[in-house]
Amino acid sequence: AQSVTQPDIHITVSEGASLELRCNYSYGATPYLFWYVQSPGQGLQLLLKYFSGDTLVQGIKGFEAEFKRSQSSFNLRKPSVHWSDAAEYFCAVVPNTGFQKLVFGTGTRLLVSP
Amino acid sequence: GAGVSQSPRYKVAKRGQDVALRCDPISGHVSLFWYQQALGQGPEFLTYFQNEAQLDKSGLPSDRFFAERPEGSVSTLKIQRTQQEDSAVYLCASSSTNTGDGYTFGSGTRLTVV
Repeated sequence: AQSVTQPDIHITVSEGASLELRCNYSYGATPYLFWYVQSPGQGLQLLLKYFSGDTLVQGIKGFEAEFKRSQSSFNLRKPSVHWSDAAEYFCAVVPNTGFQKLVFGTGTRLLVSP
Repeated sequence: GAGVSQSPRYKVAKRGQDVALRCDPISGHVSLFWYQQALGQGPEFLTYFQNEAQLDKSGLPSDRFFAERPEGSVSTLKIQRTQQEDSAVYLCASSSTNTGDGYTFGSGTRLTVV
């Protein structure tokens, strides 16, 4: 079945440490890929997106993501986490079927310890 | 306006009541989406408008849910005879593109059915 999987429900990282959040998708053709962040009580903010081309994508707030076709993955990374990065992170896809609705994963909650 | 505005911010409804949730998209955005986000879950697609035309309503969970956008700008999501399982955050997003990027999300309406 077509799906977006975020295997980690919660992740705790020490401030200043590196971060990697996992995302795998299951679609026949490579979809458009996105990472969103949601702070408590806030809407979703786009961090970065991948449509085609360079497989390493730079986003806002120092985040980057790498598309790996062979692994059907689009993992989000940050070299040094700040306390303000604590939030819920969602991977999302737009299936490349000509219709543009976003399909979200279940999210990963990032906790940052001092 | 500068962003997507949703009202009310919070809504408590008694089971069986009807509710109406409003979304003011960014001016000029032709695409408008409604998503439902249950506690601890990722947003799930409900319906999509292109201008005033509702092009996809496949995500509406039952015939108690109805959405409209009569003049191609403001949209209303109506839920009739609310049930406890309708408790969720309802997110609205608008976009000027048809490629899945450029979505701007509102902060959502948190509906609690008691």
